[in-house]
Amino acid sequence: DTEVTQTPKHLVMGMTNKKSLKCEQHMGHRAMYWYKQKAKKPPELMFVYSYEKLSINESVPSRFSPECPNSSLLNLHLHALQPEDSALYLCASSQVLAGVAEQFFGPGTRLTVL
Amino acid sequence: AQSVSQHNHHVILSEAASLELGCNYSYGGTVNLFWYVQYPGQHLQLLLKYFSGDPLVKGIKGFEAEFIKSKFSFNLRKPSVQWSDTAEYFCAVNPSGGSYIPTFGRGTSLIVHP
Repeated sequence: DTEVTQTPKHLVMGMTNKKSLKCEQHMGHRAMYWYKQKAKKPPELMFVYSYEKLSINESVPSRFSPECPNSSLLNLHLHALQPEDSALYLCASSQVLAGVAEQFFGPGTRLTVL
Repeated sequence: AQSVSQHNHHVILSEAASLELGCNYSYGGTVNLFWYVQYPGQHLQLLLKYFSGDPLVKGIKGFEAEFIKSKFSFNLRKPSVQWSDTAEYFCAVNPSGGSYIPTFGRGTSLIVHP
């Protein structure tokens, strides 16, 4: 299984709502990532989890809260978002083997904040 | 910190034309190299990758890329483009060793006219 799955595919939320994005992989990868991508722009790194511990937080606002319940799951909790947070949110996972690391990306959640 | 340059920001071609998209990176050590494609409204897909060995790499959908170490380049090519190749193309580089987190280029928007 070389797949990263993400749910939901689409999400529309108001600025006062609380919602969560979910990501799952069963490749045994110990690094998992959240990216934000705006249209026609490259993905921007938000968070990195390594062995279920948060290792990188790229100065993301606190209205985004990541969680890694176990080695296969990654969540992104959303609260009090702004319209400019509307974007495609991508999850990825990777594993380093013999000096080589490749990220496997999920299909993304397209988020619209009204 | 490494950087990735994609000098062609917008490319417009007619069907059957040949394509070459430039990607240059700044990092002196061993690198892992990737090209991703993102079709309109869709998610990121891996086109091809280079880790080691033959510097000419063949990917999906008839794409290939050549790693030229002396020029710090990993240009993407396709001999004859199709209308369905209209998409955003992103080059990404991660250094072998360290965080293994890829740095993305800003992307090239390709439009192919039928």
